Amino acid sequence: DAGVIQSPRHEVTEMGQEVTLRCKPISGHNSLFWYRQTMMRGLELLIYFNNNVPIDDSGMPEDRFSAKMPNASFSTLKIQPSEPRDSAVYFCASLRTGGLAEAFFGQGTRLTVV
Amino acid sequence: QQQVKQSPQSLIVQKGGIPIINCAYENTAFDYFPWYQQFPGKGPALLIAIRPDVSEKKEGRFTISFNKSAKQFSLHIMDSQPGDSATYFCAARENTDKLIFGTGTRLQVFP
Repeated sequence: DAGVIQSPRHEVTEMGQEVTLRCKPISGHNSLFWYRQTMMRGLELLIYFNNNVPIDDSGMPEDRFSAKMPNASFSTLKIQPSEPRDSAVYFCASLRTGGLAEAFFGQGTRLTVV
Repeated sequence: QQQVKQSPQSLIVQKGGIPIINCAYENTAFDYFPWYQQFPGKGPALLIAIRPDVSEKKEGRFTISFNKSAKQFSLHIMDSQPGDSATYFCAARENTDKLIFGTGTRLQVFP
């Protein structure tokens, strides 16, 4: 398996623009997570899906952020409108529920909002 | 509100030293405590993990010590090597799949 695939790897956008980050989890994994990494706050959990259903979105910073998982092999994180403080590395992770399941992370998307 | 508190923020040791990274938590519902290692430009990857009914777990040069009563756990790296230079995250899982991470420790091991 190719692992968790995220795209794009890098995104530079102007303030106010819409940004869409994409994630393809590992086949067979039924839980998917979006995290945001910054120097100040480390890895923050934004939202968590199980079997394509959002279970916990309490980490989504505000209404400008939204996430979807239309099927088991694809998820998006959208920011509209983007702001400079959204600049961070966004990671997607997936795991197969059960036991001491290991979460596998993608390579991340480095977002810069200017 | 930081549910998992990690320290120090950064750590510098010489080759062969034993860096120690500490984490503390409050939520007694946490049932699994993994450590993740992250190299620059990469996503975090699982390094070692422990359940709260075990006080210590060792895998190679990496050891987790767990103190359930104090709600603290730590990572020790024996005989550290320059290749261990990375950012280390402790984490805790609730009785679902939700993983909460600490803020990370940047470790530098000099030859």
